[in-house]
Amino acid sequence: DTGVSQDPRHKITKRGQNVTFRCDPISEHNRLYWYRQTLGQGPEFLTYFQNEAQLEKSRLLSDRFSAERPKGSFSTLEIQRTEQGDSAMYLCASSSDRSSGNTIYFGEGSWLTVV
Amino acid sequence: AQRVTQPEKLLSVFKGAPVELKCNYSYSGSPELFWYVQYSRQRLQLLLRHISRESIKGFTADLNKGETSFHLKKPFAQEEDSAMYYCALGHSWGKLQFGAGTQVVVTP
Repeated sequence: DTGVSQDPRHKITKRGQNVTFRCDPISEHNRLYWYRQTLGQGPEFLTYFQNEAQLEKSRLLSDRFSAERPKGSFSTLEIQRTEQGDSAMYLCASSSDRSSGNTIYFGEGSWLTVV
Repeated sequence: AQRVTQPEKLLSVFKGAPVELKCNYSYSGSPELFWYVQYSRQRLQLLLRHISRESIKGFTADLNKGETSFHLKKPFAQEEDSAMYYCALGHSWGKLQFGAGTQVVVTP
């Protein structure tokens, strides 16, 4: 499967713990996005990388959230001191600004449950 | 404020009947609009975009700037069309702003 892959697919953690999600975009995609989706809602944009540079961050991304893409390939999203409100699906997506239409491809997501 | 509204959370139709999913948007510039679909146990995927003006799996969507709408239509629904559909507003660097989604259930 050469699509966007995310790990882990499911994570249950206790409130106050830190969690980290990893995203491997489609090879050679220079754009990478993180979204969050809660039940009954569409995905909400969190942050955007162009290569290794984080160019846009949503106000949804509190200080407890940090995302990196150190070498412009895979990305990590870390949530520190998790809260029950962080329970959601975290979606990663990628695209290439060199392809026509800039089609965005999504991963299957990482489910986070904070208990 | 930029917004995407999908007024129907659930749309239940019979196989062979027409289906229309409503999407309204608010955007100050020239909008780029998309429909994404998520079938059961599959990832979110692009269905169509307004720029292409194409028909995918029998679905079409026309951008109506006067009514700020981008409704998705199919003349004859099939059971395999049962899925979650999201309308999305796109930004130049790729950020997508999604509506809340419409669940379509096609019954035989």
